[in-house]
Formats: sequence, C-alpha cells, structure tokens
Amino acid sequence: EDKVVQSPLSLVVHEGDTVTLNCSYEVTNFRSLLWYKQEKKAPTFLFMLTSSGIEKKSGRLSSILDKKELFSILNITATQTGDSAVYLCAVRYGNKLVFGAGTILRVKS
Amino acid sequence: NAGVTQTPKFRVLKTGQSMTLLCAQDMNHEYMYWYRQDPGMGLRLIHYSVGEGTTAKGEVPDGYNVSRLKKQNFLLGLESAAPSQTSVYFCASDPDGLYYGYTFGSGTRLTVV
Repeated sequence: EDKVVQSPLSLVVHEGDTVTLNCSYEVTNFRSLLWYKQEKKAPTFLFMLTSSGIEKKSGRLSSILDKKELFSILNITATQTGDSAVYLCAVRYGNKLVFGAGTILRVKS
Repeated sequence: NAGVTQTPKFRVLKTGQSMTLLCAQDMNHEYMYWYRQDPGMGLRLIHYSVGEGTTAKGEVPDGYNVSRLKKQNFLLGLESAAPSQTSVYFCASDPDGLYYGYTFGSGTRLTVV
C-alpha cells in the first residue's frame, strides 16, 4: 500500500529556532515529492523534489530528497511566528498525489 | 485570474440530505481532483478526472459521485449525507498530471448532523 509518513506529528518551538520536518514514503512509480504549507485554508506549494541530493531553497526554507532511503526533510531556520502552520508532504505517483498526515508547527514569540 | 474556486465555502446538512459541491477552474487544466481532509489524516483522494467527460475513483470514493461535463467544472455529489462525511473538502487542478504540484481551491467545510 502506498503511504507517506510524516514526523513529528506536532512540535512547538521558539522564534529563532531551527526545525527539521521529516517525510518518509513507500510508493510505486515515484515521480516527485512535494511540500506544502497549510494555514487554515488551502495548502500552498513550497517545493517539488525529483532528484536525490539536490537541495531546494527558498529564503529560510530548504528541502532535500533521498531516493535511496525514501525520505525527505524540510528545514526552517530562524523560525518566525508566521511559520506556524501545518506542513504537508505529498508524493506523486502516476497522476495522483498521496499525502502524509502533516506536521503541526507552532512558533512561540 | 481566479484559479480554482469552490462553492459553497460552508454548509450544514442533515443526515440523508443531498448536495453538490462545485469546483471551477479557469486555467484550462486537464486534471481535477477532489480530496477530503480530516484531523490527523492528511488529504485523501475521493475521485479525480483526467479530462472532460472522464472520472475515476480515488482512495475513499464510497458515498460520493462526481461529474466532469465541462472541462472547467468538477462536481462532487453526496446523495445521502452521513455524519462520517463531515470534513473539509478541497478541489485541486493540474495542467497535465505530470510532475507539477496542484493548484488548490480554498475548501468547503461540510458538517453533517
């Protein structure tokens, strides 16, 4: 069965901390792994990863994929209260996405 | 440039009632999807469509029907609502089902009492 597992389920940090969110997967016909940020409404796209070892970076956020070990991490440095959200990992196989349950991040000021 | 629009945004139904959720996209995307999101379970695929006139079952299709009569619209129907269908429903569209991520609608919060 295709599945995506995210960890931790939730965490609370203080502003300025660095966090690492994990996503492991087991799917057939892997095409890509995507990260989304969800704040109360629709998920918004962060990164798409297709190749191992190539870091994607956007400001304080970065992500990398390991296709051999079947996982990805999302790093957020110098966290801010605006980073508080649910972070979703999704894996594309065929023409569908399977989502993990998400990691709830709360950043305290 | 509206993107993906879902209507309604909120709805309360009584058990056994029926309703239709509408998803409209103005990006000429071929692929459209309906997901439900429940606490602790991420998004789960209900049905999807790979083009006008096509539909296919996803992970949790029971209790739902869909139609894609026009390329820009994807309708999700509940014929006889049950409390287990209380959820947040998201529609998404995709240009070609390949590597790119989805464009999501803003969601519909449905409560069945």
